[in-house]
Amino acid sequence: QKEVEQNSGPLSVPEGAIASLNCTYSDRVSQSFFWYRQYSGKSPELIMSIYSNGDKEDGRFTAQLNKASQYVSLLIRDSQPSDSATYLCAVPSASNTGKLIFGQGTTLQVKP
Amino acid sequence: DAGVTQSPTHLIKTRGQHVTLRCSPISGHKSVSWYQQVLGQGPQFIFQYYEKEERGRGNFPDRFSARQFPNYSSELNVNALLLGDSALYLCASSLTAGQANYGYTFGSGTRLTVV
Repeated sequence: QKEVEQNSGPLSVPEGAIASLNCTYSDRVSQSFFWYRQYSGKSPELIMSIYSNGDKEDGRFTAQLNKASQYVSLLIRDSQPSDSATYLCAVPSASNTGKLIFGQGTTLQVKP
Repeated sequence: DAGVTQSPTHLIKTRGQHVTLRCSPISGHKSVSWYQQVLGQGPQFIFQYYEKEERGRGNFPDRFSARQFPNYSSELNVNALLLGDSALYLCASSLTAGQANYGYTFGSGTRLTVV
């Protein structure tokens, strides 16, 4: 089992819809969770962090965390073509506090 | 304030050659981490350095090495390049080591192509 798993997609949604991106992780003691957005040919950009169960909202983005299910998701409301990118989920390693473990990323396509 | 800066932005090398990639951290940050991102995959941890000492190493062969200088900038060296080393190499900085719990901001990366 991979430490951080994401569906590679692509996930295709129409403009204006809600995009739902999912991530599962294997280490039950994980305390911090991050979502990065990566445009093609660019480096990852940190867009959301979440540390406690429940929802965290930032503009059109909502991160949801369920530690019991070891599941974290990212919702993008009112999706725009400019949201088309790869979204990476990342979790700090329990054994190496300097290391982030990334999923393989989910490619989102927002169609006009 | 300048963010994490990396150089060069792009590089083409031949198999068997050596390459050096450079990273300057955010001002005041003393730790630098290196990641490799192969096309279609998430970034993979290579090294973390703090105060010029290695604080963590990922599952990479000994062909990969790094060092950190007194001004906290860092170099990543890869010897005997293989085609599989073609990737985007990312650098992140943090105030100290062991700060993955706060997330990292990455530099713009170096795109290495091995032919």
